[in-house]
Amino acid sequence: DVKVTQSSRYLVKRTGEKVFLECVQDMDHENMFWYRQDPGLGLRLIYFSYDVKMKEKGDIPEGYSVSREKKERFSLILESASTNQTSMYLCASRNTASNEQYFGPGTRLTVT
Amino acid sequence: KQEVTQIPAALSVPEGENLVLNCSFTDSAIYNLQWFRQDPGKGLTSLLLIQSSQREQTSGRLNASLDKSSGRSTLYIAASQPGDSATYLCAVRGITGGGNKLTFGTGTQLKVEL
Repeated sequence: DVKVTQSSRYLVKRTGEKVFLECVQDMDHENMFWYRQDPGLGLRLIYFSYDVKMKEKGDIPEGYSVSREKKERFSLILESASTNQTSMYLCASRNTASNEQYFGPGTRLTVT
Repeated sequence: KQEVTQIPAALSVPEGENLVLNCSFTDSAIYNLQWFRQDPGKGLTSLLLIQSSQREQTSGRLNASLDKSSGRSTLYIAASQPGDSATYLCAVRGITGGGNKLTFGTGTQLKVEL
């Protein structure tokens, strides 16, 4: 079974803090993704990585950066958290043979 | 720009009913369409993936169909159970824009009552 894990289920941070969200997958997938999910807006792609040290901006990259130093780990960084970044963050990886995406359990981030 | 719509937004049915969830998309240039299930406060679980060349996929009580030319997919759930209660999301992987992105609908919230 593919397993995608995220470092925290719930996180509360203050405005201006630097925030790291970590994601690890155990199936040697090349492609990894970060989404945020908001009521009424659905899931929106923040960043995508197609290999180690390779990244592409998604639909809403502003205020975020990412890091992929190892194939199994993809990190999302909020350089200076703001209240409008309060959201559910979902990490995913993709099997390039079957094209299926597999999601982690999500991190609910609250910025106060 | 690809847009994905799911109707209805919410659905409540008695246990045992067969039901159909609908998904429509505006750009038929897709690699595949994937159906997911999401329980409250949790991540997404992949249910079925249909490649653009396929018409349908089946897994247990679930059957998903794809009509690429009309921009539609349906998810059929047979003999619904209370454990099927969840939000169901469809997502398409479009060819334009690099082909790496999934575009999601906003989901159908299903409640199966005893």
